[in-house]
Amino acid sequence: AQSVSQHNHHVILSEAASLELGCNYSYGGTVNLFWYVQYPGQHLQLLLKYFSGDPLVKGIKGFEAEFIKSKFSFNLRKPSVQWSDTAEYFCAVNAGGGGADGLTFGKGTHLIIQP
Amino acid sequence: DTGVSQDPRHKITKRGQNVTFRCDPISEHNRLYWYRQTLGQGPEFLTYFQNEAQLEKSRLLSDRFSAERPKGSFSTLEIQRTEQGDSAMYLCASSLGPGSYGYTFGSGTRLTVV
Repeated sequence: AQSVSQHNHHVILSEAASLELGCNYSYGGTVNLFWYVQYPGQHLQLLLKYFSGDPLVKGIKGFEAEFIKSKFSFNLRKPSVQWSDTAEYFCAVNAGGGGADGLTFGKGTHLIIQP
Repeated sequence: DTGVSQDPRHKITKRGQNVTFRCDPISEHNRLYWYRQTLGQGPEFLTYFQNEAQLEKSRLLSDRFSAERPKGSFSTLEIQRTEQGDSAMYLCASSLGPGSYGYTFGSGTRLTVV
């Protein structure tokens, strides 16, 4: 079974600061990796996803993530955050290669950007 | 509008009552998923369908939980004999195919059991 660990449960940054949210997963096989964002009062939205190929993945709103297979990590980054990035961020994984479907989520990181 | 619709948005029920939630996926998506999200946690996968076939149901939380997708379009999630611990947000998602296609989530149904 897969598991996902997000290291930071609460992060507070000032506008224009750089962001890195940690995500580690536990699974021995091929994986698909995702970052979702949930803005206050809204549904989960996909930020970016990794299936194969270039381990540096670019997503929407200036976010990117790097898959490091040797570290079982998929950290989310943004060079300069904005107040509108205040939200809950979830890392998720599912088994790749036609394995069982359905996502395993981390507990989330609550990001607050101070103006 | 996410494209995945869930109804109702909120449900308050008394302990012991049965509740049913509905999910309408994006029309061309053949896969449909149910998740539960409790406060401070990420969504927890419950079950999923490919068209009308339920391909995974071992993750349903108890035998009080059941899901259907009779015609391969909308789906229902039923909880029988609700308990206070069932209070949570129930999320539906749909996908064009296996997980690599990505998932689109609905806004969820918030259940409160009193």
